[in-house]
Amino acid sequence: KQEVTQIPAALSVPEGENLVLNCSFTDSAIYNLQWFRQDPGKGLTSLLLIQSSQREQTSGRLNASLDKSSGRSTLYIAASQPGDSATYLCAVGPMNTGFQKLVFGTGTRLLVSP
Amino acid sequence: EAGVAQSPRYKIIEKRQSVAFWCNPISGHATLYWYQQILGQGPKLLIQFQNNGVVDDSQLPKDRFSAERLKGVDSTLKIQPAKLEDSAVYLCASSWDRDEQYFGPGTRLTVT
Repeated sequence: KQEVTQIPAALSVPEGENLVLNCSFTDSAIYNLQWFRQDPGKGLTSLLLIQSSQREQTSGRLNASLDKSSGRSTLYIAASQPGDSATYLCAVGPMNTGFQKLVFGTGTRLLVSP
Repeated sequence: EAGVAQSPRYKIIEKRQSVAFWCNPISGHATLYWYQQILGQGPKLLIQFQNNGVVDDSQLPKDRFSAERLKGVDSTLKIQPAKLEDSAVYLCASSWDRDEQYFGPGTRLTVT
């Protein structure tokens, strides 16, 4: 059974810092990995999708990497801003199912202070 | 492009009552998902549709939860009767096949 862990559970940084959020998964047979952002009381916003054949994806100040063999992914946020404050969720799509059944971690709650 | 729509946004009911949630996916998305997110946890998949057929409902408490997707577009999720532990945010998502999933704003359910 796939399990996804995110460390740290919470992170507080001053504005302008670069930061790394970690995601680990127990079964390396994944189809893809997706990073989401969730603001309080809101739904999930997709940030980056990495296919199993890819090593990384970039969007603006965000960079996500994937190391399937070690069961790890990282989300790098450059030059953090107060607007980045949110919960960040990692989710993996297992290879051995016919459809995209995402398994989520519990998230990292990020607070960026001005 | 319009996003995933859900209603209602909030619902408060007493235990043993029934409740229904509605979802309208992004136009053209064949796959629709319902997730349950309990406070402090990541979303958990309840049921997944491909067009109007169920492809995974292994984590759906079938004694009280039911879902349907008529004509392969809109979907409803029903809980009857509700329990206190059903208090959660119910998220609907859609995707084009096994592609990136797009989520709606969710329905926050409180069972008292």
